[in-house]
Amino acid sequence: DQQVKQNSPSLSVQEGRISILNCDYTNSMFDYFLWYKKYPAEGPTFLISISSIKDKNEDGRFTVFLNKSAKHLSLHIVPSQPGDSAVYFCAATGRNDYKLSFGAGTTVTVRA
Amino acid sequence: ETGVTQTPRHLVMGMTNKKSLKCEQHLGHNAMYWYKQSAKKPLELMFVYSLEERVENNSVPSRFSPECPNSSHLFLHLHTLQPEDSALYLCASSRSPAGGGEETQYFGPGTRLLVL
Repeated sequence: DQQVKQNSPSLSVQEGRISILNCDYTNSMFDYFLWYKKYPAEGPTFLISISSIKDKNEDGRFTVFLNKSAKHLSLHIVPSQPGDSAVYFCAATGRNDYKLSFGAGTTVTVRA
Repeated sequence: ETGVTQTPRHLVMGMTNKKSLKCEQHLGHNAMYWYKQSAKKPLELMFVYSLEERVENNSVPSRFSPECPNSSHLFLHLHTLQPEDSALYLCASSRSPAGGGEETQYFGPGTRLLVL
């Protein structure tokens, strides 16, 4: 049973524009959410996270928004750059739970 | 470079072979993980070790056998695998398997396994 879902397998965006990646979860016990980025032939690397006590966390060009009532989070990349072309995974976990539940990923392609 | 290395990077094996995947972390972490990623599917947690003790075994078939001789090294021993076991196997580490997931997991580059 998949508890974290990324319903868009791919996203294409023009360089300089905003990329918006979406993620939905079903487990109400999740209280910490992460985004990982993965290039081909490399492992996922941590990008940004958010705790359930917040609704927004920003780090440079990356902002994560959390809507707990809708069990939805999103990642905004502004402005998008060619180096952002990668697969992005949403992940979630709960208090006292070391297991990360991952979504299937969204492949982002930034066009020059 | 995340500080987590995996060897080999690619592996082709027959169903009767025995092979091992190796993971090493240079971060001083105390928790290590094996994940499996099949095509177009989410990462699936297989095993978790904390201070060399297995704390999680996610109903993984016995043809996968983990070994954690110390906090820096993690192995995944493979025997009599099936073609459906072909996947990317990722190792990760974190300072501790702390609650809330706030102990960020650092991933290795993975081993791409093909079972013929």
